[in-house]
Amino acid sequence: AQKVTQAQTEISVVEKEDVTLDCVYETRDTTYYLFWYKQPPSGELVFLIRRNSFDEQNEISGRYSWNFQKSTSSFNFTITASQVVDSAVYFCALSEDNTGNQFYFGTGTSLTVIP
Amino acid sequence: DAGVIQSPRHEVTEMGQEVTLRCKPISGHDYLFWYRQTMMRGLELLIYFNNNVPIDDSGMPEDRFSAKMPNASFSTLKIQPSEPRDSAVYFCASSLSGGPAYEQYFGPGTRLTVT
Repeated sequence: AQKVTQAQTEISVVEKEDVTLDCVYETRDTTYYLFWYKQPPSGELVFLIRRNSFDEQNEISGRYSWNFQKSTSSFNFTITASQVVDSAVYFCALSEDNTGNQFYFGTGTSLTVIP
Repeated sequence: DAGVIQSPRHEVTEMGQEVTLRCKPISGHDYLFWYRQTMMRGLELLIYFNNNVPIDDSGMPEDRFSAKMPNASFSTLKIQPSEPRDSAVYFCASSLSGGPAYEQYFGPGTRLTVT
């Protein structure tokens, strides 16, 4: 079974629209960590954010915000006022205290921002 | 600071040839990871090292794949002999310390094509 599910394979939005990328995870650990990475067309994976399972506070960084809800096992990512440079594949990942350095990546959501 | 460095960025080779991919982690990072990314299987962890010692190689697909880390600043992933199904993007990543809490920083990847 997938530990991290990103049900949205592809999303297209028009520039300046807001967009939310969904991430649902599955774990039995009480201590775990969630990550988002961005993979632009150039190919590299860029780390965006890490959250631990004990901190459910939402986080905002510029146009980016993250909503962590343990009750629904979700860690969604919202881009406000999207820009063309936001076009990329976005990956959600999970790591667990009991499985050490193993990162479980979702299959990614490809976001296209249309000018 | 320089990020994770990988070389070559692109490699095209014929089936049966030996391929060597190289990685220089971020200075001071104790952990090094090798991943493979394909459309069919997404991001797969192949092997990771702690302080130059291989810790988990359960993701290495078969004996044709081998990885070494002779010192803290250099690692190689070798495929011998290569096959067309090895065509993928291979990423190297490093992290500051062990444990699931630490984000991994990825290199730009090596796009391997085996014809």
